Amino acid sequence: GAVVSQHPSRVICKSGTSVKIECRSLDFQATTMFWYRQFPKQSLMLMATSNEGSKATYEQGVEKDKFLINHASLTLSTLTVTSAHPEDSSFYICSASRGIYQPQHFGDGTRLSIL
Amino acid sequence: GQQLNQSPQSMFIQEGEDVSMNCTSSSIFNTWLWYKQDPGEGPVLLIALYKAGELTSNGRLTAQFGITRKDSFLNISASIPSDVGIYFCAGTGNQFYFGTGTSLTVIP
Repeated sequence: GAVVSQHPSRVICKSGTSVKIECRSLDFQATTMFWYRQFPKQSLMLMATSNEGSKATYEQGVEKDKFLINHASLTLSTLTVTSAHPEDSSFYICSASRGIYQPQHFGDGTRLSIL
Repeated sequence: GQQLNQSPQSMFIQEGEDVSMNCTSSSIFNTWLWYKQDPGEGPVLLIALYKAGELTSNGRLTAQFGITRKDSFLNISASIPSDVGIYFCAGTGNQFYFGTGTSLTVIP
């Protein structure tokens, strides 16, 4: 199996709050984890790739100080949206794979709403 | 990263009809993957293809890895209402790429 759990599924908070999203691979060791953002009716947009124990690689245009990623173990990666603002409202999805070229298995996503 | 060209962008079909969608790339891929995403959820892996020419089925779904290694197609036979969703292709070349998605609507 390849089960990925993402938590929380939904967050509503005030502007200026920092929000942490967790992504766990439950039944396999995820060497690589990915974080995506998805706007309505659009494809997934890769934000960053993280390998266990090393710094994340961010895609062009993604602020690394805004979206902090930690991949401290082979089963857990976290995305922290710091000082969130309404324009950060979106659907964030993580995925995990056994290697960067292996199939990715996705979490159920987190709907973030900043008031 | 770069996105693959996926077509059609959307499809409206009658229940029971067959569906075909495809994905193309300008570069050679080592794997092709097909995912389905239901509203408000993450994509779920349907089929993974690892060899040029490979044809793989998963129930009513069939996918093929093109022999040029630059394309793949997904067929759904005898569609049912629960097939509704967005289907994404994905592939790995020098990195992981995601398709633009095909939105499928099945009319009962």
